[in-house]
Amino acid sequence: KAGVTQTPRYLIKTRGQQVTLSCSPISGHRSVSWYQQTPGQGLQFLFEYFSETQRNKGNFPGRFSGRQFSNSRSEMNVSTLELGDSALYLCASSLVGIRDNEQFFGPGTRLTVL
Amino acid sequence: DQQVKQNSPSLSVQEGRISILNCDYTNSMFDYFLWYKKYPAEGPTFLISISSIKDKNEDGRFTVFLNKSAKHLSLHIVPSQPGDSAVYFCAAFSNSGYALNFGKGTSLLVTP
Repeated sequence: KAGVTQTPRYLIKTRGQQVTLSCSPISGHRSVSWYQQTPGQGLQFLFEYFSETQRNKGNFPGRFSGRQFSNSRSEMNVSTLELGDSALYLCASSLVGIRDNEQFFGPGTRLTVL
Repeated sequence: DQQVKQNSPSLSVQEGRISILNCDYTNSMFDYFLWYKKYPAEGPTFLISISSIKDKNEDGRFTVFLNKSAKHLSLHIVPSQPGDSAVYFCAAFSNSGYALNFGKGTSLLVTP
């Protein structure tokens, strides 16, 4: 079956703009989690959605938001971009959530903020 | 505030020997722990997990040990293989509002 797909793969934005990233989970998976990876901070958890509801949330400012649609596809939005938002944004999907051993990651979206 | 710490940024081990990767956490509310492996230019891959009700979980060459009193867990890889060379992330999870917290990773190099 197809894996987790993320679009776009690469994105360049300028400070102050907003951006929307998309994640399509594996078919049948209802949980989608989002992560930010940077060289300085490593891998950080943003939030998890399950059946269109945000179930868990990491320690990020309100500029970072997300949503999940009825087909389990998820979007992540970052408003008023800052230089420090430059990162690799990963999403992962699973049947039941973070405790699910079968959590699969997508290839990520590389966001560069200039 | 880093609640999950991997104090060794890198580790080099000979093929066939044991690799031991360590992870410490500070929050006693964490009740589920995971290890992920990541190759360059790829997303992380789930490796093994352990619930706080256990102190050991084994899956083939990989074993995770949990010492709750010391707030410490370790991943043992025996025997180590060159294909195990990757960055390993430890993560701790709690439903009680602390979500999922990652360590900064340990880069493992297994040499032939």
